[in-house]
Amino acid sequence: QVQLQQWGAGLLKPSETLSLTCAVYGGSFSAYYWSWLRQAPGKGLEWIGEIHHSGITNYNPSLKSRVTISMDTSKNQFSLNLPSVTAADTAVYYCAGYGGDYGFWYFALWGRGTLLTVSS
Amino acid sequence: DIVMTQTPLSLSVTPGQPASISCKSSQSLLHSDGKTYLFWYLQKPGQAPQLLIYQVSNRFSGVPDKFSGSGSGTDFTLRISRVEADDVGVYYCVQSIQLPYTFGQGTKLEIK
Repeated sequence: QVQLQQWGAGLLKPSETLSLTCAVYGGSFSAYYWSWLRQAPGKGLEWIGEIHHSGITNYNPSLKSRVTISMDTSKNQFSLNLPSVTAADTAVYYCAGYGGDYGFWYFALWGRGTLLTVSS
Repeated sequence: DIVMTQTPLSLSVTPGQPASISCKSSQSLLHSDGKTYLFWYLQKPGQAPQLLIYQVSNRFSGVPDKFSGSGSGTDFTLRISRVEADDVGVYYCVQSIQLPYTFGQGTKLEIK
């Protein structure tokens, strides 16, 4: 059974850089689009972007100028880099796997989430 | 971006009673392949979201038949025939016909 384990800093000061990593255990790294999503307090889910093992990346235009998603296929890991954070970036960040196991594509795998608080 | 609008944003339901959540998209979610890319997820407290319904009306594996989805084009509905305590959480609709994937604001279901 495929599992995701994510880690990274949970408290940052404004202007610092958010770096999160998600490791994929027990399954095929190439079978999914690896995504990052976030959920601000009291708000709904926001898709940040995704990366495929082929190197394809897609980003939400709302964050595209700031965010970078990368991967290390040798370690079955993918990462999120978001520089210059502000209070507006305070949220729970999830890594997720977008897969087509059942003949349709959906967010099939989820990490446990990392709460980022941006505060001076 | 496609805007997904859910109503209501909160529901308080007596156990055994039905519940209904509406989701409207700013553009049609009907693809040229004939499929409609509207999904429903439930995020239980302290958990990651889990898939309930795919492509409007298909229950995902293991989802009880008290959950049903309907709709077409831009208007969709999730119905729970008999609400139980285990159904508590936030329900999201999400579209995947085009990037960026966008979610509704979420509907918080609580038990009276």
